[in-house]
Amino acid sequence: AQSVTQLGSHVSVSEGALVLLRCNYSSSVPPYLFWYVQYPNQGLQLLLKYTSAATLVKGINGFEAEFKKSETSFHLTKPSAHMSDAAEYFCAVGYSSASKIIFGSGTRLSIRP
Amino acid sequence: EAGVTQFPSHSVIEKGQTVTLRCDPISGHDNLYWYRRVMGKEIKFLLHFVKESKQDESGMPNNRFLAERTGGTYSTLKVQPAELEDSGVYFCASSPLQMLDTDTQYFGPGTRLTVL
Repeated sequence: AQSVTQLGSHVSVSEGALVLLRCNYSSSVPPYLFWYVQYPNQGLQLLLKYTSAATLVKGINGFEAEFKKSETSFHLTKPSAHMSDAAEYFCAVGYSSASKIIFGSGTRLSIRP
Repeated sequence: EAGVTQFPSHSVIEKGQTVTLRCDPISGHDNLYWYRRVMGKEIKFLLHFVKESKQDESGMPNNRFLAERTGGTYSTLKVQPAELEDSGVYFCASSPLQMLDTDTQYFGPGTRLTVL
């Protein structure tokens, strides 16, 4: 069965610092990989999606993630954190684009002024 | 274009009562999904409709949960009778039937259910 592990339930960085949110998946076949973000009092919004077209995926708001099959990882990064990035981030995986999505437990990102 | 909407946004009920959650998908989306997040844990899949048919209901926890999608448009999720462990946030998502690489499941804001 597929599973997703997000290291760190809470990450805090200073404004302007690098953001790194870690995600590892377990799967026997190359999956679809996603990062979703949930801002306070809002629904889940897709940040980016890996579909095997390219290992480095660029998303919205300056975020990107790199698919590393050998490490079964899909870490999310942003070079410079902004206060507006404070939210909860979810790594997720799916067998196909229309199948159910399996989520990690989420990482809450806080930004220090 | 309107996004996925869910009603109500919050619901507080007592153990043993019945609650019905509603989801209106994006117009034209034949795929509709229900997920829930209980007590700050991971978001878990409940079930998947394709039009009015249940494609996958492997995540439904027990027979106290009944999901319907009559006519293939909006969906309802009924919990009867509600138990304390049903408290959480229930998300609905929708997607087109023919998925492009740029498509995804589009999520609603969720319904926060509290069972006292």
